[in-house]
Amino acid sequence: QVTLKESGPGMLQPSKTLSLTCSFSGFSLSTSGMVVSWIRQPSGKSLEWLAAIDWDGDKYYNPSLKSRLTVSKDTSNTQVFLKITSVDIADTATYYCARSRGNKPLAFAYWGQGTLVTVSS
Amino acid sequence: DVQMTQSPYNLAASPGESVSINCKASKSISKYLAWYQQKPGKANKLLIYDGSTLQSGIPSRFSGSGSGTDFTLTIRSLEPEDFGLYYCQQHNEYPPTFGAGTKLELK
Repeated sequence: QVTLKESGPGMLQPSKTLSLTCSFSGFSLSTSGMVVSWIRQPSGKSLEWLAAIDWDGDKYYNPSLKSRLTVSKDTSNTQVFLKITSVDIADTATYYCARSRGNKPLAFAYWGQGTLVTVSS
Repeated sequence: DVQMTQSPYNLAASPGESVSINCKASKSISKYLAWYQQKPGKANKLLIYDGSTLQSGIPSRFSGSGSGTDFTLTIRSLEPEDFGLYYCQQHNEYPPTFGAGTKLELK
């Protein structure tokens, strides 16, 4: 059974760095074809894909945010991390991690429940 | 980036009815279109990928069609659990992009 769970600080101040963790089970990110993405959703708005990391360690970023994002994974291939620098109120959102559907790296078959991050002074 | 235009924004229907949601891409994405269902307190659910392929475990009353730039999600014989938010998403290229969403409400 594939499960993903996001964790984060809940609230942080503008200009700080946001650190998020995606802990998952039921698969290994070292398995060929596996990709884990980060996606966010401001309250009442649509979904925005942020970044992804694949089984080979290749990283992909949304060009609109690329300069502020860093995605990484742990050596045990059971966690993926996302850092967003210089956060602003506009970064307030629910942040999801999601796993690809096998050979479809950009179709998200498994999602976490999301973690709400509020940027406020 | 590929822009995804979804319509309608809101849709009201009764159980047993059939509904359709449309999605238009700003350029051709071949068949690579996914549909998701979002409900409060539940993980987002992949319904369809590759335009018309039903994800495992999804009831056959859900169907998808289209290719190129125009796609449709159809739900036949609505069940009470089908009411919620629906999003289309192109999975043809980076960055993957989503439509604005359609809220399917009980009439």
